[in-house]
Amino acid sequence: GEDVEQSLFLSVREGDSSVINCTYTDSSSTYLYWYKQEPGAGLQLLTYIFSNMDMKQDQRLTVLLNKKDKHLSLRIADTQTGDSAIYFCARGTGGGNKLTFGTGTQLKVEL
Amino acid sequence: EPEVTQTPSHQVTQMGQEVILRCVPISNHLYFYWYRQILGQKVEFLVSFYNNEISEKSEIFDDQFSVERPDGSNFTLKIRSTKLEDSAMYFCASRGGLADNEQFFGPGTRLTVL
Repeated sequence: GEDVEQSLFLSVREGDSSVINCTYTDSSSTYLYWYKQEPGAGLQLLTYIFSNMDMKQDQRLTVLLNKKDKHLSLRIADTQTGDSAIYFCARGTGGGNKLTFGTGTQLKVEL
Repeated sequence: EPEVTQTPSHQVTQMGQEVILRCVPISNHLYFYWYRQILGQKVEFLVSFYNNEISEKSEIFDDQFSVERPDGSNFTLKIRSTKLEDSAMYFCASRGGLADNEQFFGPGTRLTVL
């Protein structure tokens, strides 16, 4: 199947860490991505991980991949109000790298 | 920094009319995509395009839809006879080449079918 699932909402306090989770069913993915969508805006690529990696760190962002459980997470350290947005995980498949997106997690950062 | 651009930002049309959504991918990119997002729902893949032909399309991309790269810069999505359920945000994306893993998205065109 092509289901990619995420929890719908996450609320954190400014300065705390946020962890956004994603599960998928199809193990044929080659790359897994995190995109950020601010209100009324397009999709901004944040980071991605190759399916044979377990972890990738990029400044405040840490991606963890558990292939056995088909679970992907995005950790945002020191979350700021500017991080408030919808976060989509996506998996890429095939030579054309068609993306299948998750349902999106709305992150709200409170002062 | 190079970016994908899309025009118009908002298109309103009557049911049954034809619409053309335009995209200018990042220069020198070779792979092009259209996705759509119905309000409050997932982003869904429509079609991918490489070497002047469709490389993959979804079930959504039926005979009412077509894509074209009429010149070296534009990539268009045409909907021949719009339906109410075509109302959505349409995103164009581009990717450099086979070894490039990053797909860059445009800001989207909001299509409203009345």
